[in-house]
Amino acid sequence: GAGVSQSPSNKVTEKGKDVELRCDPISGHTALYWYRQSLGQGLEFLIYFQGNSAPDKSGLPSDRFSAERTGGSVSTLTIQRTQQEDSAVYLCASSLSPGLRSDGYTFGSGTRLTVV
Amino acid sequence: DAKTTQPTSMDCAEGRAANLPCNHSTISGNEYVYWYRQIHSQGPQYIIHGLKNNETNEMASLIITEDRKSSTLILPHATLRDTAVYYCIALSGNTPLVFGKGTRLSVIA
Repeated sequence: GAGVSQSPSNKVTEKGKDVELRCDPISGHTALYWYRQSLGQGLEFLIYFQGNSAPDKSGLPSDRFSAERTGGSVSTLTIQRTQQEDSAVYLCASSLSPGLRSDGYTFGSGTRLTVV
Repeated sequence: DAKTTQPTSMDCAEGRAANLPCNHSTISGNEYVYWYRQIHSQGPQYIIHGLKNNETNEMASLIITEDRKSSTLILPHATLRDTAVYYCIALSGNTPLVFGKGTRLSVIA
């Protein structure tokens, strides 16, 4: 597609439930990133996928968070047993290749998650 | 990756040039300087990046000092739609972008 697509755009869930957030990167982009942004806060790096390499999970805040990327394209971020502090906008980005630096990241519009 | 320092906020009159400074005094030789901006309720948007030469594209110009310890992003004719938080990031290799607090630019009519 023309841009990075994220779904759903909004999600309200009850505390304790699991949620899945989806990201469709730009076709051909080998690198994919997840960030989150809590209200009034900066962007917090969560996880990074590059090709077939093992993902960089160093930003995941707890073991309730996991992500996968199937076939080098679509990625799903899963949050288990959601807590109120998980409420944030979850942003996905993709880039052609981090090593080339010939372009930047293209971000999606995000999924606004509200845990009630 | 080198730490960057930016002013918390700046104002600019509509139609004037907006000059956003960034200090990166610990930058290493292989680190690029990247600029992104985030308009309210949107995902960040790539603006420009450079290593040591000045760069210009349709959005902005990037001026990097000769010692590479600081840089300035220039929006030549700021409009109200340029109101956003602007992030300066120094980065090398394959590590992901790490966003700081940025500069909140307000363009005033």
